[in-house]
Amino acid sequence: DGGITQSPKYLFRKEGQNVTLSCEQNLNHDAMYWYRQDPGQGLRLIYYSQIVNDFQKGDIAEGYSVSREKKESFPLTVTSAQKNPTAFYLCASSMAPAPNGETQYFGPGTRLLVL
Amino acid sequence: EDQVTQSPEALRLQEGESSSLNCSYTVSGLRGLFWYRQDPGKGPEFLFTLYSAGEEKEKERLKATLTKKESFLHITAPKPEDSATYLCAVPKVTSGTYKYIFGTGTRLKVLA
Repeated sequence: DGGITQSPKYLFRKEGQNVTLSCEQNLNHDAMYWYRQDPGQGLRLIYYSQIVNDFQKGDIAEGYSVSREKKESFPLTVTSAQKNPTAFYLCASSMAPAPNGETQYFGPGTRLLVL
Repeated sequence: EDQVTQSPEALRLQEGESSSLNCSYTVSGLRGLFWYRQDPGKGPEFLFTLYSAGEEKEKERLKATLTKKESFLHITAPKPEDSATYLCAVPKVTSGTYKYIFGTGTRLKVLA
């Protein structure tokens, strides 16, 4: 079955610790995205990548970092500089951009909690 | 400012009581409007894409429509399993790349 997997489902971060969230897709999509979801707010874009070895900051990139070394993988690191990391993190992917917007498909999410 | 606004924030319906959810947008040069369903603790599940005013799409008890300023998600004779948060999103082109602006969603609760 084609789809997007995220791991772990729950992640606990200690003060001053960097943690990495995994996102893998086997849809052969070129574009991948990371969003943060907080209660009462719309999904906010953290980083996106349109192609391997290239990525762009989204609207709330501070305190986060990403890499895109393989088409299938787009891991997100939440660094110690992110002071309010508790949230639900969603990874998405889409085919390469077309004249119209491409449909994004989402993974199951990772809930990050601070100890 | 480009915005996507959904209303109502929350909606409670009796089973079989039809209603509509609204998604209004101010993004210029619409390149599609996307509807998703999200269950608690899960990722959004894709429902529909609409590209042009007048377009309609249906799936089981759901029908999505699009005008130049807004989209409606009509729910006909809902069942308790339709309870979820419904999100809409609009792509925005910035420097040749696509970002997607999401609304805050409508939380639907269908009572048996």
